[in-house]
Amino acid sequence: GAVVSQHPSWVICKSGTSVKIECRSLDFQATTMFWYRQFPKQSLMLMATSNEGSKATYEQGVEKDKFLINHASLTLSTLTVTSAHPEDSSFYICSARKGGLTNQPQHFGDGTRLSIL
Amino acid sequence: ILNVEQSPQSLHVQEGDSTNFTCSFPSSNFYALHWYRWETAKSPEALFVMTLNGDEKKKGRISATLNTKEGYSYLYIKGSQPEDSATYLCAFIRDSSYKLIFGSGTRLLVRP
Repeated sequence: GAVVSQHPSWVICKSGTSVKIECRSLDFQATTMFWYRQFPKQSLMLMATSNEGSKATYEQGVEKDKFLINHASLTLSTLTVTSAHPEDSSFYICSARKGGLTNQPQHFGDGTRLSIL
Repeated sequence: ILNVEQSPQSLHVQEGDSTNFTCSFPSSNFYALHWYRWETAKSPEALFVMTLNGDEKKKGRISATLNTKEGYSYLYIKGSQPEDSATYLCAFIRDSSYKLIFGSGTRLLVRP
């Protein structure tokens, strides 16, 4: 298998709070992890690509100082939403890719629903 | 801006019916196309990774075809069952960055 665990599943917090979301590959090493966001009735949109041991690559329009990504090991990437505001409320989901194999799918976590009051 | 379009947006069928969905993507700079099945409260599950024009892949009652020259892929479900109810997502990859560009999905509901 290729299991990806994402925590927490949902978060409700006050405006101004920073929220950390973890994405772990449980039974494989993930050289690359991806973070997506989905607003209601929209498709999954890539936010950033996280590579182990290097800085994340952010998609256009995604603020790197707002969404801090750390990929310190081959099995863990974290996304921190800093000073979250209501407009950051969304569904966030990570995926992981096994290294070295070209024709492989991505393996997804269950996602995190973030609600900022 | 790269657009990946899926149709229909939603589909209600009766158990036993066969059905199909479409995914349209840019025909230039094609690298791969993925299909995922996403059930409510679960993580998206990979169905197919398709890379070559003319590819046909099958997994049980589900199959998919790929036409990279005209930029579309079809997903077929034969004899739909209630457990097939889910959102089916296609995702386009244009290069070795492996960045997925998702369509908005087709939501399938199979009535018993």
